[in-house]
Amino acid sequence: DAGVTQSPTHLIKTRGQQVTLRCSPKSGHDTVSWYQQALGQGPQFIFQYYEEEERQRGNFPDRFSGHQFPNYSSELNVNALLLGDSALYLCASSLGPSGPPLYEQYFGPGTRLTVT
Amino acid sequence: AQKVTQAQTEISVVEKEDVTLDCVYETRDTTYYLFWYKQPPSGELVFLIRRNSFDEQNEISGRYSWNFQKSTSSFNFTITASQVVDSAVYFCALSAPGKLTFGTGTRLTIIP
Repeated sequence: DAGVTQSPTHLIKTRGQQVTLRCSPKSGHDTVSWYQQALGQGPQFIFQYYEEEERQRGNFPDRFSGHQFPNYSSELNVNALLLGDSALYLCASSLGPSGPPLYEQYFGPGTRLTVT
Repeated sequence: AQKVTQAQTEISVVEKEDVTLDCVYETRDTTYYLFWYKQPPSGELVFLIRRNSFDEQNEISGRYSWNFQKSTSSFNFTITASQVVDSAVYFCALSAPGKLTFGTGTRLTIIP
């Protein structure tokens, strides 16, 4: 049973560029949430996708956007990268967007993004 | 607004000592869930425990135990007889519909 997978593992980009991160949820899960974890901080909720729609969003600018595909996998896109976007980006999957099963979110290993 | 406070930024203990990690939370919801996650150097968050707001029974799982006190809005985590493999960053988190609110984490170092 495959867990949550993310790609790439590491990424280096330049300020102003755009980046796309990918996530495949745990088998049987249909909801994907994205979190940003800056160095020395706890993860911060970016947004959640369910049924190919953004269901909830944290306090992040519109430069952060996403997509969910029919197979439940998801992408996180960040435009006009800033130095402050350097962080570990974590994807979490769950079954259902808001019911109790959601509370058992399974996290992937993350993508380490460095913006120079 | 929801908030989770982990006042201990870093803790170091000698192997086999007991250690308690503190977590204080704020929420206006009457129904909520609390979590502890472990984040080893590899970066992946490992789920340790979930507790709902109506269940204040303490829980023990091997060397791990959790003390949930609704009266003080605390959900503390104790590792008994610590081991080097326990070295990691530990996060306390609070649920809201659709998302988790995390504390800033406590870096635990177990000294051999």
